[in-house]
Amino acid sequence: DVKVTQSSRYLVKRTGEKVFLECVQDMDHENMFWYRQDPGLGLRLIYFSYDVKMKEKGDIPEGYSVSREKKERFSLILESASTNQTSMYLCASSFATGVHEQYFGPGTRLTVT
Amino acid sequence: AQSVTQLDSQVPVFEEAPVELRCNYSSSVSVYLFWYVQYPNQGLQLLLKYLSGSTLVESINGFEAEFNKSQTSFHLRKPSVHISDTAEYFCAVINFGNEKLTFGTGTRLTIIP
Repeated sequence: DVKVTQSSRYLVKRTGEKVFLECVQDMDHENMFWYRQDPGLGLRLIYFSYDVKMKEKGDIPEGYSVSREKKERFSLILESASTNQTSMYLCASSFATGVHEQYFGPGTRLTVT
Repeated sequence: AQSVTQLDSQVPVFEEAPVELRCNYSSSVSVYLFWYVQYPNQGLQLLLKYLSGSTLVESINGFEAEFNKSQTSFHLRKPSVHISDTAEYFCAVINFGNEKLTFGTGTRLTIIP
C-alpha cells in the first residue's frame, strides 16, 4: 500500500513564526503536491514538485515556499505565518507517467494565532 | 483552463435511500475524471476514476459514476446508502498531458438514520 505521512496532525503557531510542514511518501513517486483545504473552497494547489529540487507554483503560492532535497520528502514552509494561513494542509504524491492518481496523507490542521 | 463545479455543498439522505452527487466540468481538451472521498478526520481516498473506455465506472463499495461528454458531467450515484457513507466527496479533473488535478468544492453527504 502507498503510504503518505505528514509530520503533525495538529499544529498551533503564533503569527510571524516560521513553520515547516513535512511530508514523506514511500512509493518512489516522482510527483508530490501540497494543497490547502478550506470549507466551501475545496482543495487548492499551493505548490508541486515533479522531481528532486524541481518545483512549480500552483494556484495559491503566495506566502509559501517548498523544498524537495530527497525524492521521498517534500516540505512546505510558511516563512512568516499569518492568521489567514490557518487551514488544513494536505500532501499528495503520484507517479509521473500514466494515470495521475494522487495518494493523500492524513492532513495537518494548522492554527495560527 | 479546467474547472469543476459541484453545485450541492450538502446532501442529506435517509439511510437505504438512493443518492446522486452532481459534478460538472469545463475543459477545452480531453480529460480524466475522478471522485475522491474524505471520511471524518482523514485524508482523501480515491473512490473511482474515468480514464477511457466504458463511460460507467464503479467502486468496490457500491458507488458508480457515468461520464457524459455531451453534458460535461460525471455524477456519482449509489442506489442505497449506509451510515458508513457519511463523508465529503470531491470531484476532480485533469487534462491530458497535465500534472495538476483541479478539485471541486466538495459535497458533504449526511446519512439520516
